[in-house]
Amino acid sequence: GAVVSQHPSWVICKSGTSVKIECRSLDFQATTMFWYRQFPKQSLMLMATSNEGSKATYEQGVEKDKFLINHASLTLSTLTVTSAHPEDSSFYICSARDPGGEGLREYFGPGTRLTVT
Amino acid sequence: GENVEQHPSTLSVQEGDSAVIKCTYSDSASNYFPWYKQELGKRPQLIIDIRSNVGEKKDQRIAVTLNKTAKHFSLHITETQPEDSAVYFCAASTTGNQFYFGTGTSLTVIP
Repeated sequence: GAVVSQHPSWVICKSGTSVKIECRSLDFQATTMFWYRQFPKQSLMLMATSNEGSKATYEQGVEKDKFLINHASLTLSTLTVTSAHPEDSSFYICSARDPGGEGLREYFGPGTRLTVT
Repeated sequence: GENVEQHPSTLSVQEGDSAVIKCTYSDSASNYFPWYKQELGKRPQLIIDIRSNVGEKKDQRIAVTLNKTAKHFSLHITETQPEDSAVYFCAASTTGNQFYFGTGTSLTVIP
């Protein structure tokens, strides 16, 4: 399957600071990437859809000014958690839609565990 | 929007037995149904998927069946092994649109 990388794999930051997470598709160009949040023992919660060259589409209840998404190229999307608070601590996972095979398959990055102290 | 329900939430089977996980969906326009396996602390891995024009698909010990009329699809794992222990998620989507995930099934294979 296609390969999606994510960096960093884990990060600890202090309250009030910002953290940037990168998501890259390594062997294909992804016009669409997705950002999810996952709490322990729960399903994936879609935060936003990131489209290359346009503004991200946020799901209801997700603050766009807090979770800044930039899809700068066909292989890179970034999520910046601004003014992080302890309640933002979570596992953040990106995914990319492989345009091959009618653009149906979605591959996930390894995730970033964010801890805000 | 789409609503995907997944059952059971937990499942324990003896090694060598079969495991079946079921999902239902609400949007008849959904035409793509992937299954993901997620081990603790790791990324979800696509293990099998099926499109709406197919009723069944098999890959070694894993199979997926789809009943479009009833709007449900199932994952079947035969000859289970301890390494099959993980959380499994189903999802449904329409072409080009977001995935709607089930709530997950924690499968434990007892040696």
